[in-house]
Amino acid sequence: QSALTQPPSVSGSPGQSVTISCTGTSSDVGDYNRFSWYQQPPGTAPKLMIYEVSNRPSGVPDRFSGSKSGNTASLTISGLQAEDEADYYCSLHTSSSTVIFGGGTKVTVL
Amino acid sequence: QVQLQESGPGLVKASQTLSLSCTVSGASVSNGGYYWSWIRQHPGKGLEWIGYIYDSGSTYYNPSLESRATISADTSKNQFSLKLNSVTAADTAVYYCARAHCSSISCYIGDWGQGTLVTVSS
Repeated sequence: QSALTQPPSVSGSPGQSVTISCTGTSSDVGDYNRFSWYQQPPGTAPKLMIYEVSNRPSGVPDRFSGSKSGNTASLTISGLQAEDEADYYCSLHTSSSTVIFGGGTKVTVL
Repeated sequence: QVQLQESGPGLVKASQTLSLSCTVSGASVSNGGYYWSWIRQHPGKGLEWIGYIYDSGSTYYNPSLESRATISADTSKNQFSLKLNSVTAADTAVYYCARAHCSSISCYIGDWGQGTLVTVSS
């Protein structure tokens, strides 16, 4: 089974940019556009922020962007705001039709 | 606007079966193209995918839970359900139902329920 590795935490000051990486261990990661990203503020349900590596659902600010290089997907938050403080999870849909999540990254706005 | 609402006991005894339902409004569980999913989150931990059902009967499960989990759908009630048998304290978690948009090349969860905490007691 694939695994996704995220840094436990990242931080930045308001207005700065932060990038969260998500590295996969199998060939699933390199194929297609199977990555998605979720934001989870404390005490709330997760919210889809990015799908198919780099697509933003309606209503998600354009300061959130996604990309992929090789086996690593990345979520970048540009112009960090206090409301962006939350846990962020990457997710991969595997070629076995299962879904795996990364361990999560806590974003702190200093 | 689809809405999902979990329901079920908040307390389950160890070795028994955890049963949760998810009532869907604003969409039909019998419509193709969507995968009706269960995800859980242990207290203070990350997300864990349990499985999903689509086309009213096809299912996929997390290999680590496959032997204990069953997901089913009741199209007459527009609900889908999770049963997890032989529970232990390790199954204490917030359980989310969700709707995933899946194709041959991607699968992402666009809509989530609010989650329900299930505690397994000894």
